[in-house]
Amino acid sequence: AQTVTQSQPEMSVQEAETVTLSCTYDTSENNYYLFWYKQPPSRQMILVIRQEAYKQQNATENRFSVNFQKAAKSFSLKISDSQLGDTAMYFCAFMRHLWGYTDKLIFGTGTRLQVFP
Amino acid sequence: NAGVTQTPKFQVLKTGQSMTLQCAQDMNHNSMYWYRQDPGMGLRLIYYSASEGTTDKGEVPNGYNVSRLNKREFSLRLESAAPSQTSVYFCASSEGIDRGLEEKLFFGSGTQLSVL
Repeated sequence: AQTVTQSQPEMSVQEAETVTLSCTYDTSENNYYLFWYKQPPSRQMILVIRQEAYKQQNATENRFSVNFQKAAKSFSLKISDSQLGDTAMYFCAFMRHLWGYTDKLIFGTGTRLQVFP
Repeated sequence: NAGVTQTPKFQVLKTGQSMTLQCAQDMNHNSMYWYRQDPGMGLRLIYYSASEGTTDKGEVPNGYNVSRLNKREFSLRLESAAPSQTSVYFCASSEGIDRGLEEKLFFGSGTQLSVL
């Protein structure tokens, strides 16, 4: 079975600074996807960034980037130039790559990020 | 662009009552999911349907039943509600065909359920 662990229940950062959210996972699979989802107070789930396990290059989406360490089974999210709108709950998630069709998402427990002015 | 629609948005039940949460998607997706979200627990998968006509248990299926009524609709039923089922419930859907990084999971806006 796959598990996803987010060891930081809460984080805070000053506006314009950089913050890193941690995520580790456990799996015996070799092919999989990793995701970061953002959930603002509106409860909407928003995909922030995703990574394919077989790609060594770290994914980047504007101010969001990941540090993917496959051997260590680590997938951290870095938010640069933090903005007030980044205040939200952030979930790390894992999905097995089953050739031809997608599998279910397994989520971590989340990290609540507060950005202060 | 409706996406994934969940009803109701809020519900209060008494212990022992039954109810059905409705979910519909208009994106012709094959796969649909029900998650529950609890503080400190993240989102946990209750049931999912990889395709029309199939359903499978997730991490926390006890106390729930599901029906994949057709390709669009996937309902979640609580036969005899318990206070432990107080939670926020999310329905989600995905195309279900491996498109690599193009594959996305679309979420509904959630149902806040309180069981007294």
